[in-house]
Amino acid sequence: KNEVEQSPQNLTAQEGEFITINCSYSVGISALHWLQQHPGGGIVSLFMLSSGKKKHGRLIATINIQEKHSSLHITASHPRDSAVYICAVSSPMDSNYQLIWGAGTKLIIKP
Amino acid sequence: NAGVTQTPKFQVLKTGQSMTLQCAQDMNHNSMYWYRQDPGMGLRLIYYSASEGTTDKGEVPNGYNVSRLNKREFSLRLESAAPSQTSVYFCASSEAGGVTEAFFGQGTRLTVV
Repeated sequence: KNEVEQSPQNLTAQEGEFITINCSYSVGISALHWLQQHPGGGIVSLFMLSSGKKKHGRLIATINIQEKHSSLHITASHPRDSAVYICAVSSPMDSNYQLIWGAGTKLIIKP
Repeated sequence: NAGVTQTPKFQVLKTGQSMTLQCAQDMNHNSMYWYRQDPGMGLRLIYYSASEGTTDKGEVPNGYNVSRLNKREFSLRLESAAPSQTSVYFCASSEAGGVTEAFFGQGTRLTVV
């Protein structure tokens, strides 16, 4: 059983739709990361959070520590948002250095 | 604002050849990492260096060696390449482990024939 589970694995939506990607984890964490991997392969950090909510432009990340769950929302989605979105957690059980990675959610936004 | 720089971007090796992937960061980060990503799979940690002078094995270290040359540079060496090492390799750095934001290099696409 994976310690970090993402859903859905694949998501196709129309431009303008509100997008939600979920991440559930089973370990105690120090921080949770959301990253984006572009079709060209580059990986970019979007958010790092340990509580509450963060917003950057059209992206919003939330985390519920009690429920061990995080969501990444994209408002007014655009074809350029098409990418793989990856959730990863750092756990004090792994000395906080080795991130535990989710398998990623592949998002396609159609014009 | 270079961030994390990896070289080379592409490489083809013959089975048994050796090579070193170079990684340098200019953000004065303490922690550096090497990952591999295989088609359709997530990132897997090969080795990491929590701070200058230390290195530790990750999930898939067999067939690889690393050197934390100084605070800026962290290299990954394949001593005798095998087709199973065909993958995309990413170097990453962070200020202080997984509780700080990670920055990634652009990746090295390695093919072993």
